[in-house]
Amino acid sequence: AQSVTQLDSHVSVSEGTPVLLRCNYSSSYSPSLFWYVQHPNKGLQLLLKYTSAATLVKGINGFEAEFKKSETSFHLTKPSAHMSDAAEYFCVVIHSGGYQKVTFGTGTKLQVIP
Amino acid sequence: DTGVSQDPRHKITKRGQNVTFRCDPISEHNRLYWYRQTLGQGPEFLTYFQNEAQLEKSRLLSDRFSAERPKGSFSTLEIQRTEQGDSAMYLCASSLVMRESADTQYFGPGTRLTVL
Repeated sequence: AQSVTQLDSHVSVSEGTPVLLRCNYSSSYSPSLFWYVQHPNKGLQLLLKYTSAATLVKGINGFEAEFKKSETSFHLTKPSAHMSDAAEYFCVVIHSGGYQKVTFGTGTKLQVIP
Repeated sequence: DTGVSQDPRHKITKRGQNVTFRCDPISEHNRLYWYRQTLGQGPEFLTYFQNEAQLEKSRLLSDRFSAERPKGSFSTLEIQRTEQGDSAMYLCASSLVMRESADTQYFGPGTRLTVL
């Protein structure tokens, strides 16, 4: 069985301050992990992915995430928030062994205050 | 535009009617996924295809739901005897997988279904 927990449903930061969106997962096997972003009335867009290569993954728009197996975490960070970062962020776990199993987290809505 | 497209973008129907949605994946992507997303929730996996073969179906996919990908290109999702609880955004995604692995899924804009 696998699951994804996004620990915060809403996060509010001031423009120019760091962003931390938390994600914990459970999986019986070594999973692949993704972060997607969904802007209002727009489709889901891939930010970054971890697929058992480097544990620190860099994505688009200055985002990065670190895979920590011991903590079963894959938190998303950005050093300095921009107004355009305001959106909903989803952590995704995919297990590929035989058939794929895809599990999305419930999402974290990021608000950026000017 | 070479992205994933979905048609229609919006569908309003009365309870009990049948609806069908279409998804056109990125050309030559061999995997195609269907998800359902309700307000304030993350997408929930419904089913996926590898070429024309339907490999996995979620238990969310009741017998009123059926999906096809007859030629391994576009896919259709049909909901029979719609219920108000079927109101949601239905998302399609595609990916190119060369071996058994997880690869990047590219999402379409979704079809918003409202059942009155």
